[in-house]
Amino acid sequence: SQKIEQNSEALNIQEGKTATLTCNYTNYSPAYLQWYRQDPGRGPVFLLLIRENEKEKRKERLKVTFDTTLKQSLFHITASQPADSATYLCALYNQGGKLIFGQGTELSVKP
Amino acid sequence: EAGVVQSPRYKIIEKKQPVAFWCNPISGHNTLYWYLQNLGQGPELLIRYENEEAVDDSQLPKDRFSAERLKGVDSTLKIQPAELGDSAVYLCASSLDQGRPGELFFGEGSRLTVL
Repeated sequence: SQKIEQNSEALNIQEGKTATLTCNYTNYSPAYLQWYRQDPGRGPVFLLLIRENEKEKRKERLKVTFDTTLKQSLFHITASQPADSATYLCALYNQGGKLIFGQGTELSVKP
Repeated sequence: EAGVVQSPRYKIIEKKQPVAFWCNPISGHNTLYWYLQNLGQGPELLIRYENEEAVDDSQLPKDRFSAERLKGVDSTLKIQPAELGDSAVYLCASSLDQGRPGELFFGEGSRLTVL
């Protein structure tokens, strides 16, 4: 069956450290992958998009990798800040034409 | 520029009652989505419109859910009758790209509680 799996447990890290979130998928052939941030009571906000032929994408303190062999994307926040605390969602655009979301990983950055 | 606007933000109803949610997408965005989000889960697509045409409604429970996007601009999602299991957040999103979505812009959501 098709699955998108993100760390179900919350990730707790210290301010200044690098946060790494994982998105694994099975039985999909995504044309590209997106990452969104969601704060409590708010809608998701787009962060980054990476295509299947791209290995890595960066935007300020954010970095996303996409390994189609491992069927995995990693999302990194360097020099993390308490303001980075939120839930992060990965989403795959499948060849079938749908954007499908993972369940999200909650990140908590402690001062 | 205004973002995606949804209303109401919160709605509490008793089971078997009808409910409707409204969404106004970003001006010029041809593609509109309705997602359902349960607590602790990611958004799940209910229906996708390109202009006024519903191009993907395979996940919409058509026995009680209906949606329309007249004139290809704003959209309404209706549930009739509501069931306890319909309690969730209903998110509307829009995007500029047709067929192959780029960035989705989400509204703040409409939180439904069915008692």
